[in-house]
Amino acid sequence: GIQVEQSPPDLILQEGANSTLRCNFSDSVNNLQWFHQNPWGQLINLFYIPSGTKQNGRLSATTVATERYSLLYISSSQTTDSGVYFCAVVDAGANNLFFGTGTRLTVIP
Amino acid sequence: ETGVTQSPTHLIKTRGQQVTLRCSSQSGHNTVSWYQQALGQGPQFIFQYYREEENGRGNFPPRFSGLQFPNYSSELNVNALELDDSALYLCASSLAGTSGYEQYFGPGTRLTVT
Repeated sequence: GIQVEQSPPDLILQEGANSTLRCNFSDSVNNLQWFHQNPWGQLINLFYIPSGTKQNGRLSATTVATERYSLLYISSSQTTDSGVYFCAVVDAGANNLFFGTGTRLTVIP
Repeated sequence: ETGVTQSPTHLIKTRGQQVTLRCSSQSGHNTVSWYQQALGQGPQFIFQYYREEENGRGNFPPRFSGLQFPNYSSELNVNALELDDSALYLCASSLAGTSGYEQYFGPGTRLTVT
């Protein structure tokens, strides 16, 4: 099956700092989503971005499908940004999301 | 627009028992997928239901089974519970049973098997 790798595994930031999270995947994809999992386990949709660039407030994402990676940018981080960020993809032969191992972000005041 | 809902929120069962988890899809969605998330890991695909039929299955044994109803809600049933079944069970809904549609997740059911 498709492999999804996220880096870094852990990230600690001072409030107000910027960060970049990376997702590498091993095959062509029809779907790529970024999620934020809050401390209660809820997966919150951040971006649906199989290709191109999108922005939503302080967050933006870029997927370069031909080079099989996606980046999530968080600017001016806030303590509420803390949690685990997952990248998940659907490859051409499947209907389900394959998740990476996540990046655990901690924003300290 | 109503989001994805799941019940119950938490559940404690004994090894060997059976459990049923429920999911209501987001309004307008006809596809439901179930995922298992063990502590410290990413969610793993269990199966997907589209138009009341199984439309793909992950690497889970037959004691994990499901149903989808005409209103697109779904159940996940697990028989002969094992300690390793302790996990967060997540349900996701999407517009169709194909790969190009965004999936939206419910809040999850946390199952503890003792």
